Amino acid sequence: QQQVKQSPQSLIVQKGGIPIINCAYENTAFDYFPWYQQFPGKGPALLIAIRPDVSEKKEGRFTISFNKSAKQFSLHIMDSQPGDSATYFCAASKGGKLIFGQGTELSVKP
Amino acid sequence: EAGVAQSPRYKIIEKRQSVAFWCNPISGHATLYWYQQILGQGPKLLIQFQNNGVVDDSQLPKDRFSAERLKGVDSTLKIQPAKLEDSAVYLCASSLGGRGSTDTQYFGPGTRLTVL
Repeated sequence: QQQVKQSPQSLIVQKGGIPIINCAYENTAFDYFPWYQQFPGKGPALLIAIRPDVSEKKEGRFTISFNKSAKQFSLHIMDSQPGDSATYFCAASKGGKLIFGQGTELSVKP
Repeated sequence: EAGVAQSPRYKIIEKRQSVAFWCNPISGHATLYWYQQILGQGPKLLIQFQNNGVVDDSQLPKDRFSAERLKGVDSTLKIQPAKLEDSAVYLCASSLGGRGSTDTQYFGPGTRLTVL
């Protein structure tokens, strides 16, 4: 019940495409859902986050869509660029304790 | 503002040896976390400190792992004795604390441990 399931495991898109990464959770006690971006050799960095009382949040080219009834949320990257190539992790938080998904390795081809 | 510092960046040891990792959080951050990130997986929380007290160590293998945060600032994580399955990146993170779920965690670059 503490798991966060993330898909796909890897994703390749062309520059300008819109990669979509999906996550699902079971525990309805989670109350905050951040996405982290990790480049090789670096630690994860917070990208964008959403509360469950909001259905969508947009920051620049990054958008989170949240479906509370389905217990699912997703990350969309608009007009993707080669510099967006990284591993993306969704997470769910309760009281500051983060449970991470398995990660999605995104490659944006020029 | 300086980020979370970790050392060493890489460590190779043989099984049954011991190893220690060091973390210096962002100045003023009360909460410090140690995560284990196995290749191809998301980070898994090992232990969380609030100042120098342990908040959560439910996933820390206490028979071989130990951690301390003396004086509520920097922290060390120790593994003794190491097993092959301990090969992973050990990430340290810190946050201001006191904000519950929305408390942003800032991660260091990690220490990559290889156990042979």
